[in-house]
Amino acid sequence: DAKTTQPTSMDCAEGRAANLPCNHSTISGNEYVYWYRQIHSQGPQYIIHGLKNNETNEMASLIITEDRKSSTLILPHATLRDTAVYYCIVNVAGNQFYFGTGTSLTVIP
Amino acid sequence: EPEVTQTPSHQVTQMGQEVILRCVPISNHLYFYWYRQILGQKVEFLVSFYNNEISEKSEIFDDQFSVERPDGSNFTLKIRSTKLEDSAMYFCASSGYRDLNYGYTFGSGTRLTVV
Repeated sequence: DAKTTQPTSMDCAEGRAANLPCNHSTISGNEYVYWYRQIHSQGPQYIIHGLKNNETNEMASLIITEDRKSSTLILPHATLRDTAVYYCIVNVAGNQFYFGTGTSLTVIP
Repeated sequence: EPEVTQTPSHQVTQMGQEVILRCVPISNHLYFYWYRQILGQKVEFLVSFYNNEISEKSEIFDDQFSVERPDGSNFTLKIRSTKLEDSAMYFCASSGYRDLNYGYTFGSGTRLTVV
């Protein structure tokens, strides 16, 4: 199983920040949190990952709580092209990812 | 930005027929993967490949499946005798490193329809 819990769906107004939560209460000390997204059945796209410090790149920010049991992906200014399914992944083995069901984000004009 | 290219984008095949799905990974990448996604279901790992051999495979990747890197640029997934339940999107991915912290790049996928 995916070892993460995400809301099934969320809406966000265009131009506003989209905050996507993820619970991963069973995460172990050396497991990273990865975020990918999938736009309309295209291949998953890497967004960001982190271990315990907050991370930021050109796409998003990742905020990980101090106890590492949850995290939030922030898209600072959501656009219509950010409408996608967002996957929070902590369950990895070897070099394979275990995808869950993700959060379907709809950005509304 | 470098891309992973998959062909064809959509393939329809008769049940029992062999099908080969093709992928061109990013040129300096060394690690290659296949995942699949049955319509409405999760993205599932099939196999990883490095140095001309399979590194890991899932339970889905049974004897009907095989992978090959025939010429140093292509990476193929063959299904020997397709079943209806093989209908899915198949995604190829590549990485320059074994360490997942460098992420993968996925292709756009091939939609396989078995009739």
